[in-house]
Amino acid sequence: IQLTQSPSSLSASVGDRVTITCRASQGVSSDLVWYQQKPGKAPNLLIYGASTLQSGVPSRFSGSGSGTDFTLTIYSLQPEDFATYYCQQVNSFPLTFGGGTQVEIK
Amino acid sequence: EVQLLESGGGLVQPGGSLRLSCAAPGFILGTYAMSWVRQAPGKGLEWVSLVDTRNIGIYADSVKDRFTISRDNSKNTVSLQINGLRAEDTAVYYCAKGRGGSYPESRTLDFWGQGALVTVSS
Repeated sequence: IQLTQSPSSLSASVGDRVTITCRASQGVSSDLVWYQQKPGKAPNLLIYGASTLQSGVPSRFSGSGSGTDFTLTIYSLQPEDFATYYCQQVNSFPLTFGGGTQVEIK
Repeated sequence: EVQLLESGGGLVQPGGSLRLSCAAPGFILGTYAMSWVRQAPGKGLEWVSLVDTRNIGIYADSVKDRFTISRDNSKNTVSLQINGLRAEDTAVYYCAKGRGGSYPESRTLDFWGQGALVTVSS
């Protein structure tokens, strides 16, 4: 299953609302996960089951979607949110990741 | 506190072998599925392999027949044996813990190690 993220990069300001999309080449039900990765660091789990916030993740992060189309929204972007975001489908093997979306400071 | 500590990375010649290990001080690894995910320099994430709680391994097509994942619950470790290394295997290899032992939690990675760099070059 191929995952296509868009955009591949974006520039935004602190306080902006940011939306990242992830489209699967075939339906994955709600088996979609979002990770955040900062330079030189391991990825960090944000959302699983398409919309469930991982413990400790700020509530400004939100996920939605099912089937083939998914969205990660960051409400009121904070300085610590500048990073690369990846979606992953866990519906079937081989597990696959999207190509990533780099969120940069405008 | 959950910690995952990878070891065994390094510089290897093409065709060579390497064994990566992941130790898990602080939690009992045996009840969770564990995965390896790699990231080539400047590139995105690529899932490599998963071992379930029964020690059954599942692999990406790109590494099947060359990589072997295993777990030793008595030592609380997971390993990845890598044979027939190619230049395109150069990457940071992350060990990651599944949220649980069965689908879909097993495939959702809630804790990651800091990674082990594998460089394949002559």
